[in-house]
Amino acid sequence: GAVVSQHPSRVICKSGTSVKIECRSLDFQATTMFWYRQFPKQSLMLMATSNEGSKATYEQGVEKDKFLINHASLTLSTLTVTSAHPEDSSFYICSARDVGLAGGHYEQYFGPGTRLTVT
Amino acid sequence: ILNVEQSPQSLHVQEGDSTNFTCSFPSSNFYALHWYRWETAKSPEALFVMTLNGDEKKKGRISATLNTKEGYSYLYIKGSQPEDSATYLCAFPSGGSNYKLTFGKGTLLTVNP
Repeated sequence: GAVVSQHPSRVICKSGTSVKIECRSLDFQATTMFWYRQFPKQSLMLMATSNEGSKATYEQGVEKDKFLINHASLTLSTLTVTSAHPEDSSFYICSARDVGLAGGHYEQYFGPGTRLTVT
Repeated sequence: ILNVEQSPQSLHVQEGDSTNFTCSFPSSNFYALHWYRWETAKSPEALFVMTLNGDEKKKGRISATLNTKEGYSYLYIKGSQPEDSATYLCAFPSGGSNYKLTFGKGTLLTVNP
């Protein structure tokens, strides 16, 4: 299957600083990538859809100025958490959408995630 | 907001046991259902994409069935092994061409040797 890497896997930062998380599709090109967040004992919640060469589409309730997404190439999307606060501490995971399967369906391949802790 | 429910939340079985768990989803406007396996510290791994009512798909000892009329899918594991220990997620797509996935909370399976 396709491989998606995510870096860093774990980061601790101080309140008020910014953190950048990278998501790379290693063996395929992805025009669409997705960013999710997971709080303890909750499901993966979609934050935004990242489209190569255009602005990201954010889900309701997600602040676009706080969670900056850049998808500058077909293999790389970045999520920057700006002015991080302790409530931003969470598990962030990206996925990259592959070409369509038969019947108009798509598979998403996931990175291993990033654990962000804001102190 | 789509409601995708998984049960049970967690499950402990002995090596060799067979087990199953459920994903329920909206039965109207069905498009597809995805199953993923997520081992700790690894990436979620795609298992199945279920599309047709009555579908049954199999991958080794793992199989899945689909009932779109009543809005549920079962995942079965035959002869569980410790390496099957993982969280099993189902996801329901929507959002048109972007194909956005709504996930359930997952079933955490622990297989004791």
